Amino acid sequence: DGGITQSPKYLFRKEGQNVTLSCEQNLNHDAMYWYRQDPGQGLRLIYYSQIVNDFQKGDIAEGYSVSREKKESFPLTVTSAQKNPTAFYLCASSRPGQGPEQFFGPGTRLTVL
Amino acid sequence: GENVEQHPSTLSVQEGDSAVIKCTYSDSASNYFPWYKQELGKRPQLIIDIRSNVGEKKDQRIAVTLNKTAKHFSLHITETQPEDSAVYFCAASMRYGNKLVFGAGTILRVKS
Repeated sequence: DGGITQSPKYLFRKEGQNVTLSCEQNLNHDAMYWYRQDPGQGLRLIYYSQIVNDFQKGDIAEGYSVSREKKESFPLTVTSAQKNPTAFYLCASSRPGQGPEQFFGPGTRLTVL
Repeated sequence: GENVEQHPSTLSVQEGDSAVIKCTYSDSASNYFPWYKQELGKRPQLIIDIRSNVGEKKDQRIAVTLNKTAKHFSLHITETQPEDSAVYFCAASMRYGNKLVFGAGTILRVKS
């Protein structure tokens, strides 16, 4: 919710470039998630991490990479291998020990020029 | 894997009428079912959720019902207002990994 921030809000990328989207939370949540949202579709899971230094692929991980070096941060890199990266990217976090509720950041809209 | 289907994809109602959105899920192990509201260009906001040990939950004008046998759950909004216009997503928890699977969303338009 308000404790999850994403930057930048808008991002433009040229084809062939890698870009990194930032996600930070101060909620002391253990789990963090990255979703992709396309028009007319639901949220699709890219990667998730349940604990520092560990992460797993979601349903559409190809062309993306992540790291989880700190509890508060879960950056997503969109690589040149991602064929159609233009989308709205949402980060979320949860505290599994206190319930499965996920809270979302404000999102980053990525446009490939 | 888990699959969540959501209907209808768009819904138009007159202000003051009720709106109902339905979702079905495939994994009988799912035990948590949240509903999110997303306004244009903004983040999804959790509006109500239900766990598998109850059949219904209400919060003012919104309610969620769950039928575990049939594996479907529904969002009910009564006395709709123009500010209810948004995209609504349902989701279901997966058996492992503290993950959610989302429906495709319903665009709700409340006409005044």
